[in-house]
Amino acid sequence: AQSVSQHNHHVILSEAASLELGCNYSYGGTVNLFWYVQYPGQHLQLLLKYFSGDPLVKGIKGFEAEFIKSKFSFNLRKPSVQWSDTAEYFCAVNEVYSGGSNYKLTFGKGTLLTVNP
Amino acid sequence: EAGVVQSPRYKIIEKKQPVAFWCNPISGHNTLYWYLQNLGQGPELLIRYENEEAVDDSQLPKDRFSAERLKGVDSTLKIQPAELGDSAVYLCASSLGEVTDTQYFGPGTRLTVL
Repeated sequence: AQSVSQHNHHVILSEAASLELGCNYSYGGTVNLFWYVQYPGQHLQLLLKYFSGDPLVKGIKGFEAEFIKSKFSFNLRKPSVQWSDTAEYFCAVNEVYSGGSNYKLTFGKGTLLTVNP
Repeated sequence: EAGVVQSPRYKIIEKKQPVAFWCNPISGHNTLYWYLQNLGQGPELLIRYENEEAVDDSQLPKDRFSAERLKGVDSTLKIQPAELGDSAVYLCASSLGEVTDTQYFGPGTRLTVL
């Protein structure tokens, strides 16, 4: 079965520090990749997604992610974090088959990011 | 535009009691999902609807869980009877229908079973 690994459970940074959150998946075929974010007291919302094309994807609020197929990775980055980026971040994957795609999103366990002012 | 609406936001019940959660998706979204999120985990899909048809319910524990989406709009997820291990957040999401479409999540219902 598909699995998604997020290496860091809790990351603590100071404002202006650079961020990289790791995400690896297990499926060896074609995938669609997503990063979702959940701000305190709010619902899950999409940060960015990758389906095809340029492996460097830009999302909202200055976030970007790079798909490296050979490493089965889709790491999230931001050059300079702000206090308002404090949230939980989830990586998610679904599998693409020749006859279509699996709609089921498999989520990682999430990484809690705390940004200190 | 209104987002995905869920109610109640919180529910506390005793074990063996029934419970139901309600979801109203974004207008025009044909696909509706129910997810379960345990503490410290990511969401896990329970069931997916395309209009009123449950097209993927392979992860739904059918001995105690049931769901319906009458008329292809609102949906209800029911647990009967609830067990202690059902304590979790139940999330509803909706999308336009293509697999590449963004899934929009509701705020969830936090269930506590005592």
